[in-house]
Amino acid sequence: RKEVEQDPGPFNVPEGATVAFNCTYSNSASQSFFWYRQDCRKEPKLLMSVYSSGNEDGRFTAQLNRASQYISLLIRDSKLSDSATYLCGSSNTGKLIFGQGTTLQVKP
Amino acid sequence: NAGVMQNPRHLVRRRGQEARLRCSPMKGHSHVYWYRQLPEEGLKFMVYLQKENIIDESGMPKERFSAEFPKEGPSILRIQQVVRGDSAAYFCASSVPGSYEQYFGPGTRLTVT
Repeated sequence: RKEVEQDPGPFNVPEGATVAFNCTYSNSASQSFFWYRQDCRKEPKLLMSVYSSGNEDGRFTAQLNRASQYISLLIRDSKLSDSATYLCGSSNTGKLIFGQGTTLQVKP
Repeated sequence: NAGVMQNPRHLVRRRGQEARLRCSPMKGHSHVYWYRQLPEEGLKFMVYLQKENIIDESGMPKERFSAEFPKEGPSILRIQQVVRGDSAAYFCASSVPGSYEQYFGPGTRLTVT
């Protein structure tokens, strides 16, 4: 079993839709969680850190559920520019363990 | 504030040659991480370094690969006697002490012919 797992998708949604991604992790010692965005296999860009209390940044909301060992990312009012691969990552000793990534395609 | 810098951006090597990849962390960041992304695969951790110290090299292949982060100068990932399977994008990331938020450089695309 992979330490961090994501549904690879692709998720094809129309502009304006709300879309949610989940990511599960198996290492209960993981302390920190992140969502990154990667465009066309360029460098990953940090989208959000994920806190136990949940956090929101504009159209993006991230949640952490420690009991069930998953994190989620909700994107509201999708834009064409949101099309990308979204990577979730977990860390407990500094190194980041990433999932395979979930591909999102927002259509006009 | 300059971001993480990597060079070269593209590197072509013949089988058996050596590849040296460089990474300069963001200003104020003293922790460096190297990751590899093989074609059609996810990002895999390789090594975590602080100045003059390897913290975690659990993701490094046992042979041919080495990394350093000297007191002065960039971090170097060195691959000796490259093989076709080493062709990948190599990303460097950096963070400040005490934070696991990592910021990535643009990567070095290594092609082994």
